[in-house]
Amino acid sequence: EPEVTQTPSHQVTQMGQEVILRCVPISNHLYFYWYRQILGQKVEFLVSFYNNEISEKSEIFDDQFSVERPDGSNFTLKIRSTKLEDSAMYFCASSGPRGRATEAFFGQGTRLTVV
Amino acid sequence: AQSVTQPDIHITVSEGASLELRCNYSYGATPYLFWYVQSPGQGLQLLLKYFSGDTLVQGIKGFEAEFKRSQSSFNLRKPSVHWSDAAEYFCAVVRTGTASKLTFGTGTRLQVTL
Repeated sequence: EPEVTQTPSHQVTQMGQEVILRCVPISNHLYFYWYRQILGQKVEFLVSFYNNEISEKSEIFDDQFSVERPDGSNFTLKIRSTKLEDSAMYFCASSGPRGRATEAFFGQGTRLTVV
Repeated sequence: AQSVTQPDIHITVSEGASLELRCNYSYGATPYLFWYVQSPGQGLQLLLKYFSGDTLVQGIKGFEAEFKRSQSSFNLRKPSVHWSDAAEYFCAVVRTGTASKLTFGTGTRLQVTL
């Protein structure tokens, strides 16, 4: 069964460093998302991406965050200068193809720890 | 803005007992509704979804959910819980007919006693 894969599963970084979280969405999907879950809290939407551009973003997704689809398979989330409060589980999701865009499939997540 | 309420933060049931997890949503129209399960340290797995049609939907692992428009609810049920069902359960909604963002509830942690 096709699945969304995320790497790494766990990343530890120092405050102020840049991190890139990587995702390989399901191959025929057209819509891509990043969500995060701070420990003990609910899952929050960060950003959605379609047709090589951001289609929607939350207030959490400020200038420190960016997303990119550098090739036909990867979808990345970059945090330019990490803060302690960026520590969370980050989930990538994808949906589609066109006509079935609302059922999102999630990856296993990347646990980001900022020290 | 749409919102999802899961009033039960933590529920404990005995193995073999029935289960009902509550979910209420607030939205101007009927959204698409989902239940996801998250086992410890794992990602989110889709249990079931409601888009339209029959208001009782069947999902994986023996779960079902019933959409009640009059109550703005989408409660998850299972007739007989297994110890492996212990996990966190999230109800979520998305704007109808779009690939828009999922709005999640705060989750219900299910503990199963033997």
